[in-house]
Amino acid sequence: SQQGEEDPQALSIQEGENATMNCSYKTSINNLQWYRQNSGRGLVHLILIRSNEREKHSGRLRVTLDTSKKSSSLLITASRAADTASYFCATDAPWSGGSNYKLTFGKGTLLTVNP
Amino acid sequence: NAGVTQTPKFQVLKTGQSMTLQCAQDMNHNSMYWYRQDPGMGLRLIYYSASEGTTDKGEVPNGYNVSRLNKREFSLRLESAAPSQTSVYFCASRKRQEETQYFGPGTRLLVL
Repeated sequence: SQQGEEDPQALSIQEGENATMNCSYKTSINNLQWYRQNSGRGLVHLILIRSNEREKHSGRLRVTLDTSKKSSSLLITASRAADTASYFCATDAPWSGGSNYKLTFGKGTLLTVNP
Repeated sequence: NAGVTQTPKFQVLKTGQSMTLQCAQDMNHNSMYWYRQDPGMGLRLIYYSASEGTTDKGEVPNGYNVSRLNKREFSLRLESAAPSQTSVYFCASRKRQEETQYFGPGTRLLVL
């Protein structure tokens, strides 16, 4: 079963606007990561936030994490047409109760930024 | 530094045929992963290798086998392909668990 669930499934905005995507998850995590995927390409890591962090910034990206609500948000400010892509959250947690960790991905948010 | 490479980029198989998807990384990463991605879905973990010499099943291992040939290479084998295995397959690696993963460009597989 998938741990993370993004909301909304699709988002269409104009260039220059901000885009906010949300992610909810079910179990305890070590960290939460956001990835971007351009159509037909592999995933590219954007940002990692650890379970003891509440907010993190990287350029135009701002990620928040609320472990009490088991949710995270990704904010892209001053969006550009080149930001058009699918965005996935992934939760990093021990697998099957053992010491190995694995990432579990949500279904993603398709962001379209119109010029 | 090529990162994570996958071959082939695209493959068409007939039901019942076998094939091996190759993955290699040149970043000296310990852990490697195979995922499949289906339309409208996130990535689902097929198999992973936490370190050289070990492999473990992920969420959807049925119909697949893997080999961690050495620290660099992690292959995925379909012994008898089925149409349900039509998907895009991604290999990934990371230096340590609990850190960022790096993905390959993917292999598009069509099983007729």
